[in-house]
Amino acid sequence: AQTVTQSQPEMSVQEAETVTLSCTYDTSESDYYLFWYKQPPSRQMILVIRQEAYKQQNATENRFSVNFQKAAKSFSLKISDSQLGDAAMYFCAIWVGTSYGKLTFGQGTILTVHP
Amino acid sequence: NAGVMQNPRHLVRRRGQEARLRCSPMKGHSHVYWYRQLPEEGLKFMVYLQKENIIDESGMPKERFSAEFPKEGPSILRIQQVVRGDSAAYFCASSRGTTNTGELFFGEGSRLTVL
Repeated sequence: AQTVTQSQPEMSVQEAETVTLSCTYDTSESDYYLFWYKQPPSRQMILVIRQEAYKQQNATENRFSVNFQKAAKSFSLKISDSQLGDAAMYFCAIWVGTSYGKLTFGQGTILTVHP
Repeated sequence: NAGVMQNPRHLVRRRGQEARLRCSPMKGHSHVYWYRQLPEEGLKFMVYLQKENIIDESGMPKERFSAEFPKEGPSILRIQQVVRGDSAAYFCASSRGTTNTGELFFGEGSRLTVL
């Protein structure tokens, strides 16, 4: 079974600054993907970024990037130049190759962006 | 809008009543997943269906909950004799086939409130 832990229930950042959200995971599988999802007040689940475990290079998507430390089973999300629209709940999730579409999510981190 | 469509968005039921939540997957998608989000928690997998088949229902409570995805029409998550603890947001996601990357497309969720 997989587990995902987000140790920061809440984080805050000033507009235009950088913030890092933490995530650790555990799995015995070698084939897996890691995700960060954003859930704004509308509650829509929006995929922010995805990382393939077999890739050493950290994924980047515009202002969003990850720090993937496979040995440490750590997968943090960095948001640069934070914007008011980034305020949301952020979930880290893992999918393993044997689990069909069964994503395992962390508890979430609420991000507040101050103007 | 060709996204995953869920309805109703909000549903209020009294204890003991039945709740039916519907999900129409994205066009061309034949695989549907249901997740439940309890207040202040991450999403938890419930069930994975293909057309007319339940593939994995390991996350579904053994009693009162059922799901179907008929040949025609939307997938339905049915909760019989609802209790207050069933109050949650229920998310549907879809994929074209058996996903080999874990990437799912989520609907906006159905929020069930049990009085």
